[in-house]
Amino acid sequence: GAGVSQSPSNKVTEKGKDVELRCDPISGHTALYWYRQSLGQGLEFLIYFQGNSAPDKSGLPSDRFSAERTGGSVSTLTIQRTQQEDSAVYLCASSPANEKLFFGSGTQLSVL
Amino acid sequence: GQNIDQPTEMTATEGAIVQINCTYQTSGFNGLFWYQQHAGEAPTFLSYNVLDGLEEKGRFSSFLSRSKGYSYLLLKELQMKDSASYLCAVRNSGNTPLVFGKGTRLSVIA
Repeated sequence: GAGVSQSPSNKVTEKGKDVELRCDPISGHTALYWYRQSLGQGLEFLIYFQGNSAPDKSGLPSDRFSAERTGGSVSTLTIQRTQQEDSAVYLCASSPANEKLFFGSGTQLSVL
Repeated sequence: GQNIDQPTEMTATEGAIVQINCTYQTSGFNGLFWYQQHAGEAPTFLSYNVLDGLEEKGRFSSFLSRSKGYSYLLLKELQMKDSASYLCAVRNSGNTPLVFGKGTRLSVIA
């Protein structure tokens, strides 16, 4: 597609439920990044993919968070047993090698 | 460790010039980026500096001093639509993820 696509744009869930967030990067971009942004805060790095492998998972806040990327394209971020502190905007970005990041519009996650 | 500092908020007048500063302390350096983010929207790329000096692009310019760990974003002829958050981000090396500051929220007033 023309840009990075994320779905859903909004997700409301109950505490303890699992959620899946999807990112469809720009075609041909080898690198894919997940960040999250809480209200009034900066972007917090979660995980990064180069192709299908994840060289850097250091930002995942807990073992409830996991992500995968298949076919060097679509990525899914999964949050198990969601907690209220997981509420944030989850942003995905992609880039060609060593260049600027192109961001999607994000998924606004609200955990009640 | 990594630390990127920028002012939390700034206010400037329409038509004026504003300079947003960013200082960083990182374990390596492979480029500094500025992004603009309007409320409720995704960040969009503004500028990239990897060598010392000034990069000019229309009304926006960005400056880098690697020895001082310092950058600024200069916005000229401010317009109301420039009201947004401006994010400074550093890449440590290679293709590693960008590390972002908390952003500077700029309000342009009439």
